[in-house]
Amino acid sequence: TAGITQAPTSQILAAGRSMTLRCTQDMRHNAMYWYRQDLGLGLRLIHYSNTAGTTGKGEVPDGYSVSRANTDDFPLTLASAVPSQTSVYFCASKQGAFGTEAFFGQGTRLTVV
Amino acid sequence: QKEVEQDPGPLSVPEGAIVSLNCTYSNSAFQYFMWYRQYSRKGPELLMYTYSSGNKEDGRFTAQVDKSSKYISLFIRDSQPSDSATYLCAMSLNLNAGGTSYGKLTFGQGTILTVHP
Repeated sequence: TAGITQAPTSQILAAGRSMTLRCTQDMRHNAMYWYRQDLGLGLRLIHYSNTAGTTGKGEVPDGYSVSRANTDDFPLTLASAVPSQTSVYFCASKQGAFGTEAFFGQGTRLTVV
Repeated sequence: QKEVEQDPGPLSVPEGAIVSLNCTYSNSAFQYFMWYRQYSRKGPELLMYTYSSGNKEDGRFTAQVDKSSKYISLFIRDSQPSDSATYLCAMSLNLNAGGTSYGKLTFGQGTILTVHP
């Protein structure tokens, strides 16, 4: 079982450009999340989705957007990248919004120059 | 003030040592307490979780929660080089945001642990 697949693994992006980070899960989990991980700050929630068709804002949503057209996919879009968005991005999923175990993807390392 | 504080370390111990990792928190509404392990260039994976004060054991790992002190710990006995990783504490509560509830996970900064042979 693949679990959660993120693409690309890493990317260098020019400031001002747009980019979509892809996330696909094959566990049929209802809830999905996007986190960014920065040294000294830990994992911070960007956006979440409790179920297909719904999304919500986390702690640090500015500059990011998401969509949840179906259960399996939860893409994260940066409309106009800035250097402060340089980070490692993790997609995660849980069976239900209030379940305990979140399964994480391998991460996307993004550098905005 | 951060909701969850975790000493980032780094922590370096010899093989066989007992390791103690700790987090403090300020929000008494947290309901579930978890420890995640993250190897270099990988995503975090759940190691242990508990929802009540007290101890929970799983092999060489013991998770301890003290809700009255808002303090959680992870103990690793007989540490091995394969335990070298970043350990993240995480806490969960159900949050209402604009009428929609979701399970919010708040993470500590992570502690980098190295166990040397």
